[in-house]
Amino acid sequence: DTAVSQTPKYLVTQMGNDKSIKCEQNLGHDTMYWYKQDSKKFLKIMFSYNNKELIINETVPNRFSPKSPDKAHLNLHINSLELGDSAVYFCASSQTRDGSYTFGSGTRLTVV
Amino acid sequence: AQTVTQSQPEMSVQEAETVTLSCTYDTSENNYYLFWYKQPPSRQMILVIRQEAYKQQNATENRFSVNFQKAAKSFSLKISDSQLGDTAMYFCAFRTPGGGSNYKLTFGKGTLLTVNP
Repeated sequence: DTAVSQTPKYLVTQMGNDKSIKCEQNLGHDTMYWYKQDSKKFLKIMFSYNNKELIINETVPNRFSPKSPDKAHLNLHINSLELGDSAVYFCASSQTRDGSYTFGSGTRLTVV
Repeated sequence: AQTVTQSQPEMSVQEAETVTLSCTYDTSENNYYLFWYKQPPSRQMILVIRQEAYKQQNATENRFSVNFQKAAKSFSLKISDSQLGDTAMYFCAFRTPGGGSNYKLTFGKGTLLTVNP
């Protein structure tokens, strides 16, 4: 299936731990994104990569570090997790010339 | 910076009836894209419909259609013959074309639509 797939779907971890979320797209898109959806359902962009180059880095704590080994993959690593990091994190991809984004199914991160 | 406003946090409609969700946006750009995304309880973000600002004709996708008023910066979504499966959070979103830091989708806060049997 052509899609954006992210793993894991659920992640429960203790404060202070380090965790990673992986994302892969097989749509041939050249741009990938990480969005955060908070408890009020508001979606806000965190990062964007175009052909492995970081092009958007919104005001996000340094504990969050994206990595794009190739244009089909964009991973998110989070250090020293805090309670406020609990949210749903969405990966998405798009093609520069086209407007639509395709989203992954989201990762619900719960920090306890 | 572009902003997207959805003034209806929640709405409800009876099955088979028609409902309209409102969205306004603010931008100084002349060329841009507008979208409606649906997020059912499954959490998946699903593209419902898209509109290019340079096109005067309103986009339609089966039971979903938009009323795009460029001068008023308004982009409402009409759902006809509502079905129980339409129950979801609906997000209006805006994007300018091109690359760089402007190349991001900006979302409204969403409207929770409930379709009642």
